[in-house]
Amino acid sequence: GAVVSQHPSWVICKSGTSVKIECRSLDFQATTMFWYRQFPKQSLMLMATSNEGSKATYEQGVEKDKFLINHASLTLSTLTVTSAHPEDSSFYICSASLGQGGNTIYFGEGSWLTVV
Amino acid sequence: LAKTTQPISMDSYEGQEVNITCSHNNIATNDYITWYQQFPSQGPRFIIQGYKTKVTNEVASLFIPADRKSSTLSLPRVSLSDTAVYYCLVGDRNTGFQKLVFGTGTRLLVSP
Repeated sequence: GAVVSQHPSWVICKSGTSVKIECRSLDFQATTMFWYRQFPKQSLMLMATSNEGSKATYEQGVEKDKFLINHASLTLSTLTVTSAHPEDSSFYICSASLGQGGNTIYFGEGSWLTVV
Repeated sequence: LAKTTQPISMDSYEGQEVNITCSHNNIATNDYITWYQQFPSQGPRFIIQGYKTKVTNEVASLFIPADRKSSTLSLPRVSLSDTAVYYCLVGDRNTGFQKLVFGTGTRLLVSP
């Protein structure tokens, strides 16, 4: 199946700094990518939908100025957590879609963010 | 609000068949039903997808009744490594599965 890769797998940053997580579709062009966050023992929560070449669409309650999403190419989307705080510590997962007619979406391995 | 409802948890033993049922009463005409498996600290992994009747692949079967308001994931002869969380999702394939909403998932524990 299609492969979606995230980098880094885990990152520790100091409170107040920014951290970037990359999501790449390795063997297909993803017109749409999705970003989720997941707290321990909880389900995935959709944060935003990222369409190549256009602004991301954020879910209600997700601050677009805090979670910057850039989908500059058909194979790469980035999530930047700005001015990170300990409450932003979570497991961030991206997924990618082939777009209309695509048979499913594929998820990355996830990225653990710990803010200290 | 999640579009699907599943049991929170299930227990089984090695070698048994496990059936996990998901309710999706408001499924739309263009929605497909997809099941994912998630291990701790990993992204969800695609298991199987279907639209109606029965679908089978090398790891599971998916049963969908005619009204499509529910579906059942069947895992034959589970092993310890099948301990994971299983998510049922419904989404429109025609829109590239925009805005998939995850429900609680079912936490399956397989014991020796």
